[in-house]
Amino acid sequence: QQPVQSPQAVILREGEDAVINCSSSKALYSVHWYRQKHGEAPVFLMILLKGGEQKGHDKISASFNEKKQQSSLYLTASQLSYSGTYFCGTASGSARQLTFGSGTQLTVLP
Amino acid sequence: DAGVIQSPRHEVTEMGQEVTLRCKPISGHNSLFWYRQTMMRGLELLIYFNNNVPIDDSGMPEDRFSAKMPNASFSTLKIQPSEPRDSAVYFCASSSHPGDGYTFGSGTRLTVV
Repeated sequence: QQPVQSPQAVILREGEDAVINCSSSKALYSVHWYRQKHGEAPVFLMILLKGGEQKGHDKISASFNEKKQQSSLYLTASQLSYSGTYFCGTASGSARQLTFGSGTQLTVLP
Repeated sequence: DAGVIQSPRHEVTEMGQEVTLRCKPISGHNSLFWYRQTMMRGLELLIYFNNNVPIDDSGMPEDRFSAKMPNASFSTLKIQPSEPRDSAVYFCASSSHPGDGYTFGSGTRLTVV
């Protein structure tokens, strides 16, 4: 079953912050986050394993709440280069292959 | 490292024709995935190989689709016969371990007319 992402789209000004959420009805083993620019392939950002960890990557960080089966991606002080579609991918149970959400389109304006 | 290499980048074919998409994963990566992306359905997993063995092919739409991985450095996805509804971008991805981050290839944009 596909994880649910919200919001579907968000428009920001440079320097503003954004949060993208991903939730699943299944018990999650891991959550991945990817960014895809128009006409390109998805690019891996980070992976979070069950245990409620939080990770950071420059000004992009994420959290994983295992109990709620939710993950959030935090983009702080957004840059123009952050524009793209963000996908969460989830793995459940013993399966390791990912099921992707429908994506959140992020647009950063100057 | 050249990354995951897919060919062709674009393919236009007529309905009923056979189409073969190719993928070379990153050397040392044991897991290979085929995904299809469309506006309507997003990124869908078609099939997943681990150590060249198909583990999950539940996403393969129907018997018209088949995938093989004869060795660790090559995989094919074949559609026979192709139909207009197969038009999509097909991505191959690989990872060093099933639970690791995926590296996607550039994709093959398939158009069936």
